[in-house]
Amino acid sequence: AQKVTQAQTEISVVEKEDVTLDCVYETRDTTYYLFWYKQPPSGELVFLIRRNSFDEQNEISGRYSWNFQKSTSSFNFTITASQVVDSAVYFCALSEARAGNMLTFGGGTRLMVKP
Amino acid sequence: DSGVTQTPKHLITATGQRVTLRCSPRSGDLSVYWYQQSLDQGLQFLIQYYNGEERAKGNILERFSAQQFPDLHSELNLSSLELGDSALYFCASSATSGDDNNEQFFGPGTRLTVL
Repeated sequence: AQKVTQAQTEISVVEKEDVTLDCVYETRDTTYYLFWYKQPPSGELVFLIRRNSFDEQNEISGRYSWNFQKSTSSFNFTITASQVVDSAVYFCALSEARAGNMLTFGGGTRLMVKP
Repeated sequence: DSGVTQTPKHLITATGQRVTLRCSPRSGDLSVYWYQQSLDQGLQFLIQYYNGEERAKGNILERFSAQQFPDLHSELNLSSLELGDSALYFCASSATSGDDNNEQFFGPGTRLTVL
């Protein structure tokens, strides 16, 4: 069965600090997809990134970067020079190719960025 | 704005009642997914419809049912409501059936409160 663990339930940083959100996943499938979503205080879920299990290249998008390591079953997310607007709950999610497109979410990490 | 719309935004009802949540997917998207976000269970996949047909089922209670109409909007029906059904219900949509596990775009959610 698929499972996603986000061990950090809450992180607090001061603006301009770098912060890494951890995500560890479990799956028996060889083809799977990993996602990150952001849930700001307004409540909606905002898609950030999708990676497939065959692409271990790290990705950078502005201040956001993702580190995918199959050897440790991790898909970590780093925010560089954090800003107050980054304050939100961040969810890591997994979908297995055989199970269709249903997303299994981790418990989420609440990030608070203080000015 | 993801392009996915959900109505109503808030719903307050009593135990034993029945409610209907409505979702319109992004223009052109054929798949609709329903998720439940509660404090104790986190974010859980309920059900997926693709072009009017049920595609995948998750932890959806028998008291809950859904359908997707010819115009691709979807409704989630919750009956014999219990206090524990209080949650944020999200609808998401994606372009395809999900066989390629493409990203899902989420609506703003409907917050259901059962008193």
